[in-house]
Amino acid sequence: ELKVEQNPLFLSMQEGKNYTIYCNYSTTSDRLYWYRQDPGKSLESLFVLLSNGAVKQEGRLMASLDTKARLSTLHITAAVHDLSATYFCAAGPNNNDMRFGAGTRLTVKP
Amino acid sequence: DVKVTQSSRYLVKRTGEKVFLECVQDMDHENMFWYRQDPGLGLRLIYFSYDVKMKEKGDIPEGYSVSREKKERFSLILESASTNQTSMYLCASSLAGKFVTEAFFGQGTRLTVV
Repeated sequence: ELKVEQNPLFLSMQEGKNYTIYCNYSTTSDRLYWYRQDPGKSLESLFVLLSNGAVKQEGRLMASLDTKARLSTLHITAAVHDLSATYFCAAGPNNNDMRFGAGTRLTVKP
Repeated sequence: DVKVTQSSRYLVKRTGEKVFLECVQDMDHENMFWYRQDPGLGLRLIYFSYDVKMKEKGDIPEGYSVSREKKERFSLILESASTNQTSMYLCASSLAGKFVTEAFFGQGTRLTVV
């Protein structure tokens, strides 16, 4: 059974600082997703990573995938307040099946 | 834009009631999902469907059933609501087949069982 673990679960950052969120998954998965959720809102897709060594960047967020280590990271560069949200990773063997981590609640303080 | 619409944002039901949560998507997606979201637990998969009348159990199907009579609509049914089913319920849809895409989520239904 596929299990997905994220850490940390809570992250409080100062504006301008860098940090990394980690996502481990327990069995082979040929894809890894990152989503963002703002309070009271639904989930919004950030990245889909498909192969070992894949790296994608959007603004201050960069996601990478190491399928051998079953690890994905979401790196935040020079955080700003607008990045405050909950970030979820998800993995799955195919489009039909997607299992989520517990989420990382990020708070960026001035 | 893909739109996934859940019929209610907020619901309050009594213990023992039969509850229907409806989800409709407008992008002709084959896959549809129901998750519940609880603090500290993330999203847990209840059921998913990859075609009309087809369904698969997720991690926590007990106390729930689903129905998919039309491609665009996926219903979650709580046969006899209990207080431990108080939660946020999220519906999602995605393409099937060889195309790898993300899932698109509805706005969620916050269900309170009293």
